[in-house]
Amino acid sequence: AQSVTQLGSHVSVSEGALVLLRCNYSSSVPPYLFWYVQYPNQGLQLLLKYTTGATLVKGINGFEAEFKKSETSFHLTKPSAHMSDAAEYFCAVSDRLNSGYSTLTFGKGTMLLVSP
Amino acid sequence: DSGVTQTPKHLITATGQRVTLRCSPRSGDLSVYWYQQSLDQGLQFLIQYYNGEERAKGNILERFSAQQFPDLHSELNLSSLELGDSALYFCASGSQVEQFFGPGTRLTVL
Repeated sequence: AQSVTQLGSHVSVSEGALVLLRCNYSSSVPPYLFWYVQYPNQGLQLLLKYTTGATLVKGINGFEAEFKKSETSFHLTKPSAHMSDAAEYFCAVSDRLNSGYSTLTFGKGTMLLVSP
Repeated sequence: DSGVTQTPKHLITATGQRVTLRCSPRSGDLSVYWYQQSLDQGLQFLIQYYNGEERAKGNILERFSAQQFPDLHSELNLSSLELGDSALYFCASGSQVEQFFGPGTRLTVL
């Protein structure tokens, strides 16, 4: 069974500072990897994903993540935080072996707080 | 806008009641997924339908059921509601490599 661990339920940064949200997964085979963002009272929006190819993935709003197989990690970064980045971020995995069973397993989420 | 629609946006009901949540997937998507988001359990997969057939089941209670209709819209039925069923219920459509989420239905059981 797959599992996802997000370190830190809350991360606080100042505007302009580096954002680093950590995600580690447990899976016998490297899964497909995703980061979603959820703004208050809204649904989930896909930030970026890793399926194959280049391990450094760029997403929307200046975010990027790097898949590191040896560390079973997929940490999310952004060089400079904006106030509008304040939201909850979810790391998720999908089993790449079973194409018909493409359900997502989510981490517990990390709330990003950005102070002026 | 993800292209996935869910109704209603909010639902308030009493314990023991039954409710139906509706989802319309993005145009062209055959798969519909239901997820529950609660403070206790986080985001959990409930059930997946593909072109009208149940494809995968997650942590879905026996009191909950779902179906997907020929026009591909889906309904999630929740019965004998308990206080603990209060949560945000999301529908998503898409594929293994990308799922698009609807805005959710917030269910409050009083």
